[in-house]
Amino acid sequence: EAGVVQSPRYKIIEKKQPVAFWCNPISGHNTLYWYLQNLGQGPELLIRYENEEAVDDSQLPKDRFSAERLKGVDSTLKIQPAELGDSAVYLCASSPEAGTGELFFGEGSRLTVL
Amino acid sequence: AQSVAQPEDQVNVAEGNPLTVKCTYSVSGNPYLFWYVQYPNRGLQFLLKYITGDNLVKGSYGFEAEFNKSQTSFHLKKPSALVSDSALYFCALYNFNKFYFGSGTKLNVKP
Repeated sequence: EAGVVQSPRYKIIEKKQPVAFWCNPISGHNTLYWYLQNLGQGPELLIRYENEEAVDDSQLPKDRFSAERLKGVDSTLKIQPAELGDSAVYLCASSPEAGTGELFFGEGSRLTVL
Repeated sequence: AQSVAQPEDQVNVAEGNPLTVKCTYSVSGNPYLFWYVQYPNRGLQFLLKYITGDNLVKGSYGFEAEFNKSQTSFHLKKPSALVSDSALYFCALYNFNKFYFGSGTKLNVKP
């Protein structure tokens, strides 16, 4: 079974530039999460999808961050414009359904903003 | 309010010795508790979880965790540490469709 796939693995951009991250969850997983992980810290939720619906985006900084999950499968997380403080690892995770709890994580996309 | 605390930023242990990584939690209602491990430049990997039942939960790679309701703890343990166990370990609480992660504990196992 293929795991959660994320791309790109690494991205270096200058501040004020846009950036996008892509996630392909495990086939059949209805729940998809985007997390932000700063160095040496635990993941912090940005947004959670149930199928194509964003059911929890309370922690997403909507002035510069946006996300979509068209057709309830792949998802894209965008930052525009990026700021220095956005440098972090962006993790995507999926779960078969809300309530089972267990998350399956991708390897993450490490963003460096110069 | 829901929260998870990992009181140790780092744990050092010699290979072959037992290891414990501590976790305490605060929750309204019954907790779902998890341990995840993260190797450098990788995503988090599931180790084990406690939902209900036996307080001693066995997981991957020889790890186990003990749920203690009176002490609100869920410590991760392994009888004999391996150098390859060196990684970052996260305790997590799942409640009302949200995960609450601890800040992580770096485990260093020295040969």
